[in-house]
Amino acid sequence: RKEVEQDPGPFNVPEGATVAFNCTYSNSASQSFFWYRQDCRKEPKLLMSVYSSGNEDGRFTAQLNRASQYISLLIRDSKLSDSATYLCVVNLYNKFYFGSGTKLNVKP
Amino acid sequence: SQTIHQWPATLVQPVGSPLSLECTVEGTSNPNLYWYRQAAGRGLQLLFYSVGIGQISSEVPQNLSASRPQDRQFILSSKKLLLSDSGFYLCAWSPGLGQKNEQFFGPGTRLTVL
Repeated sequence: RKEVEQDPGPFNVPEGATVAFNCTYSNSASQSFFWYRQDCRKEPKLLMSVYSSGNEDGRFTAQLNRASQYISLLIRDSKLSDSATYLCVVNLYNKFYFGSGTKLNVKP
Repeated sequence: SQTIHQWPATLVQPVGSPLSLECTVEGTSNPNLYWYRQAAGRGLQLLFYSVGIGQISSEVPQNLSASRPQDRQFILSSKKLLLSDSGFYLCAWSPGLGQKNEQFFGPGTRLTVL
């Protein structure tokens, strides 16, 4: 069983749409949670950490449900520049476990 | 601020040749260091991680090895490359235990083995 599971997509949405990604993790002892963004042929970049109380950064909102072992990312008012692969990541001790990513295509 | 460097950016090597990829981190001390590989269209595979000089944990049996000769230097090596070693190699660092545990990546090395 994979440590982190994500829907690979792609999610094809028009500009201005709201889109939500979900991810589940298998180890209830996981300590920290993150969303990363990876553009084609580039390194992953930290988008935001995810906290139990939920957190927001501009158009991006992340939620964590420890009971269900579930993490979500909501993107409002999608921009063309949001097109990328979004990686769900959990941390346990010194190791980071990556989902395989969800591809987002924002269309004009 | 912290920065992480990797080189070279791209590399084409014949099967059976040796490999050495270097990663250095600036602006921090005692980082945890990581090597990942990403095959085309796939997720990240953790290869090695290190919590200190000379301390290496291997995650996947393979013909690769890693070394950490200095606090902020992490090297990935192979004596003889295989075709299956082709991929995007990423070095990353995170603060040690007790600090905000986010991970940051270098620009990566794209390796093609022919």
